[in-house]
Amino acid sequence: QKEVEQNSGPLSVPEGAIASLNCTYSDRVSQSFFWYRQYSGKSPELIMSIYSNGDKEDGRFTAQLNKASQYVSLLIRDSQPSDSATYLCAVNMDSNYQLIWGAGTKLIIKP
Amino acid sequence: DAGVIQSPRHEVTEMGQEVTLRCKPISGHNSLFWYRQTMMRGLELLIYFNNNVPIDDSGMPEDRFSAKMPNASFSTLKIQPSEPRDSAVYFCASSVGATTEAFFGQGTRLTVV
Repeated sequence: QKEVEQNSGPLSVPEGAIASLNCTYSDRVSQSFFWYRQYSGKSPELIMSIYSNGDKEDGRFTAQLNKASQYVSLLIRDSQPSDSATYLCAVNMDSNYQLIWGAGTKLIIKP
Repeated sequence: DAGVIQSPRHEVTEMGQEVTLRCKPISGHNSLFWYRQTMMRGLELLIYFNNNVPIDDSGMPEDRFSAKMPNASFSTLKIQPSEPRDSAVYFCASSVGATTEAFFGQGTRLTVV
């Protein structure tokens, strides 16, 4: 069964620190990886997409992909209280159209 | 672009009634997804359309659920008859191609009493 695993948290990080969110997936041939942020009562919002091994940076966000170890992570630098949300990892496996979603990690940034 | 537009934002209905949720995808997107989200089960894919054609409806819970996409700019998800266990947030999402970034609408919060 194809799975995407995330620690449900909550992950508590002090303001200004680096928040590190991790996601592992079961299918070695997965090709597309996405991080979404979801505030309580709101819809998922795309933050980052990554398709190849290595790091991809966008502002305070960095996505890291390691296909050999089958994990993808999201780093948030200089964490702000407004970053407090649930972060969802989604993986597209086998070029299949269906995104497999993790259950999400709740992140709390403490002032 | 206004993004993916869903209506209504909130729906409260009595058990047994028909419920119709609506979605307008982003112009130019040829893939459309209907999701359901609950605390217990997280995000579940209900059905996926590509170029207005239903490709996979294996996530539709049962025959009470049906979805249509009569054209590239409109889709509906219908529940008939509705039951309390259908209470959830229903999201519509669209993308350019099935394997690229999907963008979500604001969702419809359905409560069946």
